[in-house]
Amino acid sequence: QSVLIQPPSASGTPGQRVTISCSGSSSNIEFNYVYWYQQLPGTAPQLLIYRNNQRPSGVPDRFSASKSGTSASLAISGLRSEDEADYFCAAWDDSLSGSYVFGSGTKVTVL
Amino acid sequence: EVQLLESGGGLVQPGGSLRLSCGASGFSFDNYAMGWVRQAPGKGLEWISSLSARGDNLYYADSLKGRFTISRDNPKNTLYLQMKSLRAEDTAIYYCAKVQMYGPFYYDTDDAFDVWGQGTMVTVSS
Repeated sequence: QSVLIQPPSASGTPGQRVTISCSGSSSNIEFNYVYWYQQLPGTAPQLLIYRNNQRPSGVPDRFSASKSGTSASLAISGLRSEDEADYFCAAWDDSLSGSYVFGSGTKVTVL
Repeated sequence: EVQLLESGGGLVQPGGSLRLSCGASGFSFDNYAMGWVRQAPGKGLEWISSLSARGDNLYYADSLKGRFTISRDNPKNTLYLQMKSLRAEDTAIYYCAKVQMYGPFYYDTDDAFDVWGQGTMVTVSS
């Protein structure tokens, strides 16, 4: 059972906007940064968003993210076929001895 | 180019041990914290452990503490994960990852993993 909850799937047609939610708690999302990782089929994860809404160099501005309270969201605008992948949110969790927690993952399908 | 290359995976019997290695290149290894993340077949990502740049601050997932040990050899630019008492549920791809922020003397655990290796498969089965 993942600490951060994401919908298992999301889909859209090319050009559409897709959003993915990530629900956490006061021990993780509310007071710590949220990160998003993209995992293309058969490859290692790669960093998509850091510090809630910052994009590493090379990540298209079609990807955006936000955070409010104990939840966060990732938006993909102008959906493209190459965006078909698994997306994971993550955050540091301050409970117990501390841990880095991932969301359950959302599979984005481009119809 | 920043690169991470894991090795040491393979088939191991339940109760056995295995040591994974992660060779780093293209960046000043001793200035960055590092971590291990695994992914069971068809499942999501699970953080295992993180280690500060100098190796003096270690963090583990509570569920794995005591069986897994993270370490590093900075002169060799290598990160390790020693695993013991392995179980079928430890079967997964094991990724090493570099922590994003420069931090030779201080590790802020609230940080991203910005570079990942390709992973090494560990299968625990008799």
